[in-house]
Amino acid sequence: QKEVEQDPGPLSVPEGAIVSLNCTYSNSAFQYFMWYRQYSRKGPELLMYTYSSGNKEDGRFTAQVDKSSKYISLFIRDSQPSDSATYLCAMTGRTGGYQKVTFGTGTKLQVIP
Amino acid sequence: NAGVTQTPKFQVLKTGQSMTLQCAQDMNHEYMSWYRQDPGMGLRLIHYSVGAGITDQGEVPNGYNVSRSTTEDFPLRLLSAAPSQTSVYFCASSYSTSRWAEYNSPLHFGNGTRLTVT
Repeated sequence: QKEVEQDPGPLSVPEGAIVSLNCTYSNSAFQYFMWYRQYSRKGPELLMYTYSSGNKEDGRFTAQVDKSSKYISLFIRDSQPSDSATYLCAMTGRTGGYQKVTFGTGTKLQVIP
Repeated sequence: NAGVTQTPKFQVLKTGQSMTLQCAQDMNHEYMSWYRQDPGMGLRLIHYSVGAGITDQGEVPNGYNVSRSTTEDFPLRLLSAAPSQTSVYFCASSYSTSRWAEYNSPLHFGNGTRLTVT
């Protein structure tokens, strides 16, 4: 079993929809959680990061962590065609630097105009 | 700001050939790393460096060598290419690996090198 599981999609939604992207994980030591966005033929770029449990909001994006369920989510409100990309979750423990980050396989999102 | 620059963008090799993937960053980042991205496998760490002269192995280091003689450059060498090394390779850097969360210093990725080994 992988440490981090992420549905590969693709997920197709109409413009304006609320999108929910999710990851589950098995390592209870994970404390820092990140979401990266990757456009086609580009490198990933950091969208949001959160520490421990709870919600964090940034514009149309909300990251949610439920450590008791080992489940993290990224919500996108009022989705736009420009949000079409692959979204990667990533996580690491308190003592881990970037060399210990575990990435999910990514969910491909398509927002249809 | 150029950020992280990777060359070449595309490469086709025959089995047994060698090559070097180049990576340069102009952000004075201490931490640099190489990942490969394969369908269904996600990003996997090959090698990383926490400063000039310091390198270490990641999750999938076999078949790859690295060196870090300057802060800016972190080349990845394939000594004898194999079809299993067909992948998209990403270089990434960060301000500091030990204090990345404290300084909110994300990984900055290049745009990748698409390598095919036949």
